Amino acid sequence: QMHLQESGPGLVKPSGTLSLTCTVSGDSFTTLYWWTWVRQTPGKGLEWIAEISQTGTTYYNPSLKSRSTISMDKSKNQLSLDLKSVTAADTAVYYCAGQTFEYSYEIWGPGTLVTVSS
Amino acid sequence: IVLTQSPGTLSLSPGERATLSCGASQTTDSRYLAWYQQKPGQPPRLLIYGTSTRATGIPDRFSGSGSGTDFTLTISRLEPEDFAVYYCQHYGTSPLYTFGQGTKLEIK
Repeated sequence: QMHLQESGPGLVKPSGTLSLTCTVSGDSFTTLYWWTWVRQTPGKGLEWIAEISQTGTTYYNPSLKSRSTISMDKSKNQLSLDLKSVTAADTAVYYCAGQTFEYSYEIWGPGTLVTVSS
Repeated sequence: IVLTQSPGTLSLSPGERATLSCGASQTTDSRYLAWYQQKPGQPPRLLIYGTSTRATGIPDRFSGSGSGTDFTLTISRLEPEDFAVYYCQHYGTSPLYTFGQGTKLEIK
């Protein structure tokens, strides 16, 4: 059974870069074709950030595209997200997820809270 | 596409039937509509994809329906573990995925 686990700094200073990793265990990262990052804040709810395919095709939320980079390392069974020039508005729980059914995400990590504060 | 969920909060008792609505700002393909359940401190859990297909292991008391701009999640007989927040999600163009603001299903 596939498990996802997000990891990150917990606390990032304003204007810095938030770097997150999602490690896949229990199955190969290549089992699923599409992977995504989603974040959740009390104010804006669930917000989709970016998506990447096994072939490296990427899609970004236009509102975050200029600041975000999604990538993967198949050899490490890992998915990554970098979000630069962060502000307090980027404080959220960040989730990685994998797609088993078209146009939706079934496999989710537990999420990691990232706080942007000096 | 903007998704609008109603009601914001639904107060019901175990054993009752729950009907949650999700309205899309534009007509959408039924393949692109999904529903999730989320409990405090947990990630979203996929319930329904393609408007009406239950995801892996989802009990048959959960059902989805709808077309065009109006979609519905129905829970036929509420179990204590069903009280949670429910989100609809749409796959579109830009952004690729959008979520509704959620409906909180609480115990009456």
